[in-house]
Amino acid sequence: DGGITQSPKYLFRKEGQNVTLSCEQNLNHDAMYWYRQDPGQGLRLIYYSQIVNDFQKGDIAEGYSVSREKKESFPLTVTSAQKNPTAFYLCASSIGTGASYEQYFGPGTRLTVT
Amino acid sequence: DAKTTQPNSMESNEEEPVHLPCNHSTISGTDYIHWYRQLPSQGPEYVIHGLTSNVNNRMASLAIAEDRKSSTLILHRATLRDAAVYYCILRDVRYNQGGKLIFGQGTELSVKP
Repeated sequence: DGGITQSPKYLFRKEGQNVTLSCEQNLNHDAMYWYRQDPGQGLRLIYYSQIVNDFQKGDIAEGYSVSREKKESFPLTVTSAQKNPTAFYLCASSIGTGASYEQYFGPGTRLTVT
Repeated sequence: DAKTTQPNSMESNEEEPVHLPCNHSTISGTDYIHWYRQLPSQGPEYVIHGLTSNVNNRMASLAIAEDRKSSTLILHRATLRDAAVYYCILRDVRYNQGGKLIFGQGTELSVKP
């Protein structure tokens, strides 16, 4: 089955540690995205990548970093510089442009930093 | 970016139709109207999208006002599995911007048996 996998589902870290969240897709989509969601809120865009070896900052990129070395993979690192890292992190990929466009989301990783 | 306004929450009874409204008074001619929904503790999923004409698919219908300043997502027979947060999103096809979607707070739909 094609789709997006994120691992792990739950992640716990101590404050001051960097942590990398995994996102893999086998949909052959060029574009991939990382969103953050806080309780009771909508999604906010962290980073996105339209093609391999290229990515752009979203609305809340501070304290995060990404890489896009392979089409199917878009890992997100939450650095110690991120002041409030505890959140639900969602990865997505997309297909189509213009009239035909759809984003597909993974199941998410819930990160807790104490 | 054009903004959307949705009620924070709505209630429905199982097997009855549900009409979820969305206001987008500043919509531009090149904005598509997208709807996604998010079940509890899951990632969002695509529901439907349209530009001017009403749209139907297996999940729902999208009714777009003639002036395009509002739209309504219609679930024809709500089931308990339709309980989710529904997001109405505008996407301007002139500016690809990586295809990003801007999510508001959405409408939390609860379905009563």
